[in-house]
Amino acid sequence: AQKITQTQPGMFVQEKEAVTLDCTYDTSDQSYGLFWYKQPSSGEMIFLIYQGSYDEQNATEGRYSLNFQKARKSANLVISASQLGDSAMYFCAMSLRSFGNEKLTFGTGTRLTIIP
Amino acid sequence: KAGVTQTPRYLIKTRGQQVTLSCSPISGHRSVSWYQQTPGQGLQFLFEYFSETQRNKGNFPGRFSGRQFSNSRSEMNVSTLELGDSALYLCASSLDSTGPNTEAFFGQGTRLTVV
Repeated sequence: AQKITQTQPGMFVQEKEAVTLDCTYDTSDQSYGLFWYKQPSSGEMIFLIYQGSYDEQNATEGRYSLNFQKARKSANLVISASQLGDSAMYFCAMSLRSFGNEKLTFGTGTRLTIIP
Repeated sequence: KAGVTQTPRYLIKTRGQQVTLSCSPISGHRSVSWYQQTPGQGLQFLFEYFSETQRNKGNFPGRFSGRQFSNSRSEMNVSTLELGDSALYLCASSLDSTGPNTEAFFGQGTRLTVV
């Protein structure tokens, strides 16, 4: 069974600083995908970034990048130049990339608060 | 391009009643998954539908059921509601589940309160 671990329940970061949110995963499958989502207080899960297990380069999407270290089974999210609007819950998730295994397994999340 | 639409946004129901939640995926997306989010259990997978067929099911009792229509819209039903069913129910849509899943977009969720 796959498992996602997010060890930081909460983080406080000064505006404009970079922030790294930790995520480690556990699976015996070789083919999988890793996702990061942002959930503001409104409840919607906003897709941020995706990394496939066979992708050799780290994924980037604007201010978001995913620091993928396969050997360590970690997939940390890096947000550069944080903004007040980045305050939210952040979830790391994994899906197996085999047919019929599209379900996402989520971590417990990290609550990020950006301080002005 | 419209996103994932869930209706209603909020619901209050009484124990023992049943409820139906609706999810319209992004146009062209054929896979719809449902998740339950509670403070105690976090985000848990309920089930996934693709081409009107349930292909994946999480560890929930039979009171939780769902279906998908030919236009990919999906509904989930919870019968004989219990207080513990109070949660945010999220629906996710994906483009094509015959291959690797590289994206999953969520709706705003339906917040169900059982009293």
